[in-house]
Amino acid sequence: AQKVTQAQTEISVVEKEDVTLDCVYETRDTTYYLFWYKQPPSGELVFLIRRNSFDEQNEISGRYSWNFQKSTSSFNFTITASQVVDSAVYFCALSGIMEYGNKLVFGAGTILRVKS
Amino acid sequence: NAGVTQTPKFQVLKTGQSMTLQCAQDMNHEYMSWYRQDPGMGLRLIHYSVGAGITDQGEVPNGYNVSRSTTEDFPLRLLSAAPSQTSVYFCASRAGTGGVLAKNIQYFGAGTRLSVL
Repeated sequence: AQKVTQAQTEISVVEKEDVTLDCVYETRDTTYYLFWYKQPPSGELVFLIRRNSFDEQNEISGRYSWNFQKSTSSFNFTITASQVVDSAVYFCALSGIMEYGNKLVFGAGTILRVKS
Repeated sequence: NAGVTQTPKFQVLKTGQSMTLQCAQDMNHEYMSWYRQDPGMGLRLIHYSVGAGITDQGEVPNGYNVSRSTTEDFPLRLLSAAPSQTSVYFCASRAGTGGVLAKNIQYFGAGTRLSVL
């Protein structure tokens, strides 16, 4: 079965610190997609990034970067020089082709608190 | 472009009452789904639909009904509300069908916060 584990329930950092949010996944699919979503205090879910299983190239977008390692089934998310506005719940999610009928499976989420 | 619209934003029910959470999308997406979000459990899939007239159960379907009479609308019905259904409910939609569906971004509504007393 597909599963996403975000072992860090809550992380607190001081502004300008770097922080990494861990995501480990399980799937039997050979083709699958990984996503990160952000849920700010206002409650909506905001899409951040998508990565397919054939592309292990790391991605950087401003202060955000993502490290996908198929060998360890991990898709970690790093925020460089964190800011108070980064405070949110972050979800990692997985979508497979064959198993689970393309459903999007979410991790439990990591609460990030950035203090000024 | 409104995206995915959910109503109401907040609702309080008494045990045993029924209600319908509304969800509409204007992106002509085939796939729509309902999730509930509970502390420490992430988002769990309740029901989903791959097109008008087609629905199926997700992880936690008990106590909920859905129908999909049009591409745009996907209402979620609570027939007899229970305190265990106190949660935040999200509707979402994705473009595509079949294998293409897996790679497409899922867009979420703003959520409905439901309390059952």
